[in-house]
Amino acid sequence: DAGVTQSPTHLIKTRGQQVTLRCSPISGHKSVSWYQQVLGQGPQFIFQYYEKEERGRGNFPDRFSARQFPNYSSELNVNALLLGDSALYLCASSLIRVNTEAFFGQGTRLTVV
Amino acid sequence: GENVEQHPSTLSVQEGDSAVIKCTYSDSASNYFPWYKQELGKRPQLIIDIRSNVGEKKDQRIAVTLNKTAKHFSLHITETQPEDSAVYFCAASDPTIGGGADGLTFGKGTHLIIQP
Repeated sequence: DAGVTQSPTHLIKTRGQQVTLRCSPISGHKSVSWYQQVLGQGPQFIFQYYEKEERGRGNFPDRFSARQFPNYSSELNVNALLLGDSALYLCASSLIRVNTEAFFGQGTRLTVV
Repeated sequence: GENVEQHPSTLSVQEGDSAVIKCTYSDSASNYFPWYKQELGKRPQLIIDIRSNVGEKKDQRIAVTLNKTAKHFSLHITETQPEDSAVYFCAASDPTIGGGADGLTFGKGTHLIIQP
């Protein structure tokens, strides 16, 4: 079985641009979450989607948005990019919503210049 | 919201010795505590987790203990091997953001170095 897949793996954008990151969860997993990992820090929660609805949101500005599709894949959008948005963006999927293992994708390395 | 503190930030041990990493959390409602291992350039991978109805859990050389009263949990690795070298993150579920395990608050990580 394929694990969590994310695309693209690397991305370079200019300040002010917009970016869309994609995630495909493990087959059968209905919960997808997004995390931002700045170099040298732990992942920071951005969003959780379950059954195509937003179930949780971390402390991120409205420039960050996401959605989940009927096939449970997900997109994370970031508008008006800032230099501080440079980070590894991780997607995690899990079978159910609560208290179960979250499987991470390999991440998308976003560099804003 | 939840706040997770992790210590130490760097831990160097001799191969074969034990390593202990400690975390504290702030929200007594947190009920799920996973530990992740992240090797350089790779994704975080779950190595062990514990739920609040259990005080201790062991899987071969790895064990986790949870003290709900004191709001702290620890990772214990025995008979350390070179392949244990990595960054380890503790995390706690954050019930303020929907109660889902995916809404995890992570510590800042411990860089574990196994000296040959």
